[in-house]
Amino acid sequence: GQQVMQIPQYQHVQEGEDFTTYCNSSTTLSNIQWYKQRPGGHPVFLIQLVKSGEVKKQKRLTFQFGEAKKNSSLHITATQTTDVGTYFCAVSTSGTYKYIFGTGTRLKVLA
Amino acid sequence: NAGVTQTPKFQVLKTGQSMTLQCAQDMNHEYMSWYRQDPGMGLRLIHYSVGAGITDQGEVPNGYNVSRSTTEDFPLRLLSAAPSQTSVYFCASSYREEVQPQHFGDGTRLSIL
Repeated sequence: GQQVMQIPQYQHVQEGEDFTTYCNSSTTLSNIQWYKQRPGGHPVFLIQLVKSGEVKKQKRLTFQFGEAKKNSSLHITATQTTDVGTYFCAVSTSGTYKYIFGTGTRLKVLA
Repeated sequence: NAGVTQTPKFQVLKTGQSMTLQCAQDMNHEYMSWYRQDPGMGLRLIHYSVGAGITDQGEVPNGYNVSRSTTEDFPLRLLSAAPSQTSVYFCASSYREEVQPQHFGDGTRLSIL
C-alpha cells in the first residue's frame, strides 16, 4: 500500500534560521498537499502541488514537487515563532480518492 | 457558514460501549472523510465518502461504520469501543473528490477506559 515518509521527524531552529521538511513516497503520486497543525489544533490546508517539478511560494514558504512526482519539500525562510507546529504532507495515488498523511515534521522555533 | 462542525468535542466511554461521532458541513461539499490521530502521530484515514450514498474504507476501518444519507452529514459509529480506539478524531471535507481535504473540524477527543 501507499507509504509516505517525512524527514526529519523533529526540528529545532533558532528564530531567523531556515527550515526544510521532505516528503517521500514509494510510488508515483497524482498530487501532494501540505498542511500545518498547531499544538492542540486541527490541520490547516496550505497548498496543493500537481505538476512534475512544480514550485509554489506563499510568502516565506516555498513548496516543490519532484520531477518524478515521488517526493516534495517545504522550505521556510527566516523562521518565526508563529511557524511552530507540525507540518504534514498528504498524498493520493492515481485513480483513488484516499488521501494518506505523512508522519509529519514537528518544528520548534527558539526565540 | 459554520464550516465543518464536530460533536461532541470530548467523550469518555467504557470498553464495549457504542457511540456516534457527528460531523456536519454547510458548504455543500461532496467529499468527506474521517481521520484518527494518536498522540504524536500523523492522521490515519478511517472512512471516506465521495457523495451521498457512497462510502469506502480507508487505512484503518475496522471497528468503525459510516453512512452518508445526506450531503451535509457524515457520522462515524464505534460499534464496540476498545481502548485502542482512544484518539482524536477529525472530520474533513472538500468540494469534490479530486480535491484533497481542505476543511477540518476541531476534532473529537475520545477516551476509552
